[in-house]
Amino acid sequence: GQQVMQIPQYQHVQEGEDFTTYCNSSTTLSNIQWYKQRPGGHPVFLIQLVKSGEVKKQKRLTFQFGEAKKNSSLHITATQTTDVGTYFCAGRTGGSYIPTFGRGTSLIVHP
Amino acid sequence: AAGVIQSPRHLIKEKRETATLKCYPIPRHDTVYWYQQGPGQDPQFLISFYEKMQSDKGSIPDRFSAQQFSDYHSELNMSSLELGDSALYFCASSTDAGAYNEQFFGPGTRLTVL
Repeated sequence: GQQVMQIPQYQHVQEGEDFTTYCNSSTTLSNIQWYKQRPGGHPVFLIQLVKSGEVKKQKRLTFQFGEAKKNSSLHITATQTTDVGTYFCAGRTGGSYIPTFGRGTSLIVHP
Repeated sequence: AAGVIQSPRHLIKEKRETATLKCYPIPRHDTVYWYQQGPGQDPQFLISFYEKMQSDKGSIPDRFSAQQFSDYHSELNMSSLELGDSALYFCASSTDAGAYNEQFFGPGTRLTVL
């Protein structure tokens, strides 16, 4: 079945440093979504990427979808303590309406 | 804005007992998804409903069943509870069952099985 691998599992950064998490799929995706889950909270939708090579920005967050639509990344510039949480990618293949979540990357920001 | 409502927020049960989790989707959302999230794990898809019909099925144990009612709320029924069922159970809703929809997650129900 479809697998979505996400790395790293954890990332410690000093406040102000950049952060990147990567997702790779074993199969071509129709779209990929990114969610953020704060400690003790629930996943919150951040963005969806659909087109090959698509890049979207939300303030300090940059999301990319690979040309082959098998990988994606989330980059945060100049992290802040409010960025703390676990970032999940969730990919869908053409044959399924159900997203497969990656294992998530937990971001820890040290002030 | 209205969000997804789940009840109860916390539930403690003994092994072999039953539990019922409830989910009230955002108004005018007709699709509901159930996920199970263990500690430090990603959400695992259990089952989904669109317009009161089961639309997709994931890794839901046979001991669990679910349904969506005429008012679009959904209930997850769990029987013969096991220690391994202890987890966060999220319900999410969306405007349709399509492949490009955004899922809105509820706050979750934390189930502890003793």
